[in-house]
Amino acid sequence: DAGVTQSPTHLIKTRGQQVTLRCSPISGHKSVSWYQQVLGQGPQFIFQYYEKEERGRGNFPDRFSARQFPNYSSELNVNALLLGDSALYLCASSPRGADTYNEQFFGPGTRLTVL
Amino acid sequence: GNSVTQMEGPVTLSEEAFLTINCTYTATGYPSLFWYVQYPGEGLQLLLKATKADDKGSNKGFEATYRKETTSFHLEKGSVQVSDSAVYFCALSDRGNNRLAFGKGNQVVVIP
Repeated sequence: DAGVTQSPTHLIKTRGQQVTLRCSPISGHKSVSWYQQVLGQGPQFIFQYYEKEERGRGNFPDRFSARQFPNYSSELNVNALLLGDSALYLCASSPRGADTYNEQFFGPGTRLTVL
Repeated sequence: GNSVTQMEGPVTLSEEAFLTINCTYTATGYPSLFWYVQYPGEGLQLLLKATKADDKGSNKGFEATYRKETTSFHLEKGSVQVSDSAVYFCALSDRGNNRLAFGKGNQVVVIP
């Protein structure tokens, strides 16, 4: 079975541009979470979606937005890019929502570089 | 809020040496605790977990015990191999939500 997939693998943008990152969860998983991992740091929680609804949001500005589609795939959008948005963006899927802990399976990430 | 603190700096050790990585946490309530591993060029993988006090998580020779009294979840392995070279992250999750709070991670380099 395929794991969590993310696209693109790498991306280079300039300041002020907008970017869209994509994630496909493991088949049967209904929850998707997004994390930002700055070089040398641990991942930081950005969003969680379950059954196409936002179920949690981390401490990120409104320039960050996301959505989940009927097939449970997800997109993360970042507007007005800043140099500080350069990071590895990780997507994680899990079978259920946020009622209890269930293991999250991480994708390989999208490396975003903002110049 | 919830937070996880890992010991500073990379860890370099020889093959077959004993590995310890310290992790302490701050959380309201009774979180679940995890160790994740990130091999070069790969995504995060769950290494082990513990969901209540005094639980011991174990996998691939690694162990960690949930110590509520010291709010700690230290990772140990008795005899490391070169293939254990990776970045190790301690993390917690509150009951009632599925979001993970991670420590900064520790780079482990095992020398033959």
